[in-house]
Amino acid sequence: SAVISQKPSRDICQRGTSLTIQCQVDSQVTMMFWYRQQPGQSLTLIATANQGSEATYESGFVIDKFPISRPNLTFSTLTVSNMSPEDSSIYLCSVAELAGPGELFFGEGSRLTVL
Amino acid sequence: AQSVAQPEDQVNVAEGNPLTVKCTYSVSGNPYLFWYVQYPNRGLQFLLKYITGDNLVKGSYGFEAEFNKSQTSFHLKKPSALVSDSALYFCAVSSLSGGYNKLIFGAGTRLAVHP
Repeated sequence: SAVISQKPSRDICQRGTSLTIQCQVDSQVTMMFWYRQQPGQSLTLIATANQGSEATYESGFVIDKFPISRPNLTFSTLTVSNMSPEDSSIYLCSVAELAGPGELFFGEGSRLTVL
Repeated sequence: AQSVAQPEDQVNVAEGNPLTVKCTYSVSGNPYLFWYVQYPNRGLQFLLKYITGDNLVKGSYGFEAEFNKSQTSFHLKKPSALVSDSALYFCAVSSLSGGYNKLIFGAGTRLAVHP
């Protein structure tokens, strides 16, 4: 399976600032997704990162708050903009290796704490 | 809309006893079903999946799950629990109509295996 590296693994941020999370995969993958896991909660899909075009956002998530880039088939970034304490979460990059139904593989996650 | 229910917040089992973690789903069309495990401060690890074929699927670490279409269930099982199985378990579903790589996760069930 693909090896997924996320940076930073954790960070403490000040209210009102922005942070960019990087996701690097060791092989080309068809699909990349960003999920959020709030403390003690399940995973919620933020968006699908589309290579060379704008990301596709799920209901409740907008590009101004969570801009996403995917310049190629192995790399994506998620920015959490104008952070508030409610943004304190684990943000997880995930990838699908196949073009059909199948499992996703996840990075270790980026744990953000907003003060 | 797709959804997944994990009716138990926590399951307690003695080491060596069989374990079951319950999952029911709701989708339009044929479901694709997955189980993941999350250890503390780690990302999600894929355990097993049902896409098509045999209703009983076997996965990593001795886990298995049975797809039951009439009961819309996909319960995770293991014949003999280990203390090291203690973790957070997530059931997830996708479908062709919902985007077969877009996994929707249940709330999670914490498994505690006691010596």
